[in-house]
Amino acid sequence: KNQVEQSPQSLIILEGKNCTLQCNYTVSPFSNLRWYKQDTGRGPVSLTIMTFSENTKSNGRYTATLDADTKQSSLHITASQLSDSASYICVVSPLDDYKLSFGAGTTVTVRA
Amino acid sequence: EAQVTQNPRYLITVTGKKLTVTCSQNMNHEYMSWYRQDPGLGLRQIYYSMNVEVTDKGDVPEGYKVSRKEKRNFPLILESPSPNQTSLYFCASTWGITYNSPLHFGNGTRLTVT
Repeated sequence: KNQVEQSPQSLIILEGKNCTLQCNYTVSPFSNLRWYKQDTGRGPVSLTIMTFSENTKSNGRYTATLDADTKQSSLHITASQLSDSASYICVVSPLDDYKLSFGAGTTVTVRA
Repeated sequence: EAQVTQNPRYLITVTGKKLTVTCSQNMNHEYMSWYRQDPGLGLRQIYYSMNVEVTDKGDVPEGYKVSRKEKRNFPLILESPSPNQTSLYFCASTWGITYNSPLHFGNGTRLTVT
């Protein structure tokens, strides 16, 4: 069964600091890997989409990396802001199926 | 404005009373899907549709029905709701999941079944 595991489950950081979230997956072959940000009670919003051939992609202060050989991805948040407090979800699209595989998410809390 | 619209935002109902949650998108997307989100479990796919009249089960389809009679609408139907279907539901759409096209999510429907 295709799985996506995210770590840590939650973390607290001080405003202005950096943090890195991890995503390990078993989906194979896969088409693309996506990171979403979800504010409490709202629908997720896309941050990055990477195909298997891409190693890194940035969206402002968010940088995602992908290692297709080890089946790992990370999301790095630089100079965190209070508005970065949210849940971050890793989603993997298989190449041969229409079912998406979702991670359980990492909850980030940024404190002043 | 490009968007996915779900209605209602909040719904409280009783066990066994049929209900429908509507979802509509204005981006001409082919792929639409429904998810439920429960604490500690993340988003789980209920049903998805690759195009008009083409639907398939996700990971947790039991107790739910869907239809895709037109491209823009993808309603979620609970024929006989039960308390274990109390959850936060999201509809989403995209051109296709193998494309570099993001999923656009609605704002969610919080359902409580008593």
